[in-house]
Amino acid sequence: DIQMTQSPSSLSASVGDRVTITCRASQSISSYLNWYQQKPGKAPKLLIYAASSLQSGVPSRFSGSGSGTDFTLTISSLQPEDFATYYCQQSYSTPRSFTFGPGTKVDIK
Amino acid sequence: QVQLQESGPGLVKPSGTLSLTCAVSGGSISSSNWWSWVRQPPGKGLEWIGEIYHSGSTNYNPSLKSRVTISVDKSKNQFSLKLSSVTAADTAVYYCARVRDIVVVVAAHNWFDPWGQGTLVTVSS
Repeated sequence: DIQMTQSPSSLSASVGDRVTITCRASQSISSYLNWYQQKPGKAPKLLIYAASSLQSGVPSRFSGSGSGTDFTLTISSLQPEDFATYYCQQSYSTPRSFTFGPGTKVDIK
Repeated sequence: QVQLQESGPGLVKPSGTLSLTCAVSGGSISSSNWWSWVRQPPGKGLEWIGEIYHSGSTNYNPSLKSRVTISVDKSKNQFSLKLSSVTAADTAVYYCARVRDIVVVVAAHNWFDPWGQGTLVTVSS
């Protein structure tokens, strides 16, 4: 089974800050990595797919990078609506099986 | 635009069977997509439960496989989840979601989009 970890588990930041969240896979998953944003009481929302492709409609301040086992989600200038929990998810497993990271909560400093 | 809506009992007794349905609108469940269930215990992270293709092919999370059945009803454009022998640990918000299979560069990638709004199922006597 592929295990996913995220760091940090939580962070406090201010509006305008550059925020970086890291996701690590227990084995190489190439670029089979997606990022989601979840706000309280809401379903997750896709932000980034295939490690670095921005989902349509998602602001360009969000970006993803990485390949293999180490991945990064960056918010270039944190906005008030970005305070949420962020999850990574791998889709590399064969047979098909999907795993999420434990999440990173971004709150107001 | 595809939309998904979960429905089912919000309370299930321990040792019973949890049953939920996901209605798909704005698109056909027989399109070239897999359809998934994901759950989230209160205050915790996301766990993939399993998925189904319109042909009836399924894939399940190995940790839940012995208790999970996912089925599809093409005539009603919906798919369903059954989870047997439930305990308090199965208390969670259950989401249904479409699994996109898209070729990016030269490889097929999968992600969940869109999601239903989620429904809370509590296991309690």
